[in-house]
Amino acid sequence: DGGITQSPKYLFRKEGQNVTLSCEQNLNHDAMYWYRQDPGQGLRLIYYSQIVNDFQKGDIAEGYSVSREKKESFPLTVTSAQKNPTAFYLCASSIRQQETQYFGPGTRLLVL
Amino acid sequence: GEDVEQSLFLSVREGDSSVINCTYTDSSSTYLYWYKQEPGAGLQLLTYIFSNMDMKQDQRLTVLLNKKDKHLSLRIADTQTGDSAIYFCAENPNTGFQKLVFGTGTRLLVSP
Repeated sequence: DGGITQSPKYLFRKEGQNVTLSCEQNLNHDAMYWYRQDPGQGLRLIYYSQIVNDFQKGDIAEGYSVSREKKESFPLTVTSAQKNPTAFYLCASSIRQQETQYFGPGTRLLVL
Repeated sequence: GEDVEQSLFLSVREGDSSVINCTYTDSSSTYLYWYKQEPGAGLQLLTYIFSNMDMKQDQRLTVLLNKKDKHLSLRIADTQTGDSAIYFCAENPNTGFQKLVFGTGTRLLVSP
């Protein structure tokens, strides 16, 4: 059963804390992406990775970091430098760049 | 520039047709997409159209593309209550990698 999984579904962050959102795919896709969704807005690109061990900043990368050590995994860390982290975070993947993107179920991050 | 615009809200009765409109500004986009998002969920790819096509039909869904006016529409025939969701159109400007630019989404409400 192929797909993209994200965990946890809900995540709570305390002030000054770093938190990591998980994204895993078993579709054998080369490219992976992280988007942020705020209420009433479209999705904005945070980071993307075209291949293992390579990633690039998107439009709103400040306060976030990623790694791509395995093809299947693209975790996103929301650092304490991100002053407004409350949002819905969506991970996506595509066979390779320029191909159609498929999305995971999302993680909602809330600040305590 | 990159900007995708959609109306925010559409209300229809069950059994009617729904038409969701989208305008985009980047004429270099090769693909245009429609995604569906149900409450608290990720984005589900509904359909897409290649820029050299005028129309694409897939069961109850019809996509019309007017490249001259940079206008994209999604028609849902025989709309059902299960079609209630937010619908996003997205374009991929020819930036060298698969970056999607999303509209703000149209919330479709289908009443019995």
